[in-house]
Amino acid sequence: KQEVTQIPAALSVPEGENLVLNCSFTDSAIYNLQWFRQDPGKGLTSLLLIQSSQREQTSGRLNASLDKSSGRSTLYIAASQPGDSATYLCAVKYGYGQNFVFGPGTRLSVLP
Amino acid sequence: EAGVTQFPSHSVIEKGQTVTLRCDPISGHDNLYWYRRVMGKEIKFLLHFVKESKQDESGMPNNRFLAERTGGTYSTLKVQPAELEDSGVYFCASSRGQGHAGYTFGSGTRLTVV
Repeated sequence: KQEVTQIPAALSVPEGENLVLNCSFTDSAIYNLQWFRQDPGKGLTSLLLIQSSQREQTSGRLNASLDKSSGRSTLYIAASQPGDSATYLCAVKYGYGQNFVFGPGTRLSVLP
Repeated sequence: EAGVTQFPSHSVIEKGQTVTLRCDPISGHDNLYWYRRVMGKEIKFLLHFVKESKQDESGMPNNRFLAERTGGTYSTLKVQPAELEDSGVYFCASSRGQGHAGYTFGSGTRLTVV
């Protein structure tokens, strides 16, 4: 069964800290992986998309890595800000035309 | 470009009633997806349209759910009759292709069945 897990479930850090969110997936034969953020009562905002052939993607203070052999992806957030507070979701696509399988998310709180 | 639009944003209905959710994808996106998140659970796939055809509806929970995408533009998801366990947030997403393109999600419809 294809499953996606995320650790930790919740994280609270002081402003300015660098932090890492983890995503693990069964079955290393993934097609691509997408990180999203969800603000309370809002939709999902795409952050980074990593194809199976890529090792990492960067956007501003965000860096996502992919290690297929170990079934892991990490989302690194540098110099965290209160505005980064949200739920971060990892979603894995296992093949062309297939749907995304979502993890349960990590709820991040960045304290001023 | 305009994003994925969903409405209503919230809906509260009584058990046994019918509700219809609507999704307008990004113009030119042939692929349209419905997902939902029920309380305390992960976001789960419901179905996938390619233009007006259902590519994959393996995630539809039962025959009380009916999705349509007439003309390959907007899509509707009807729940009839609604049950308490249908409460949750229903998300729509669209993408240009099925391969390497990522998804763009709408803001979701929060459905509460009382």
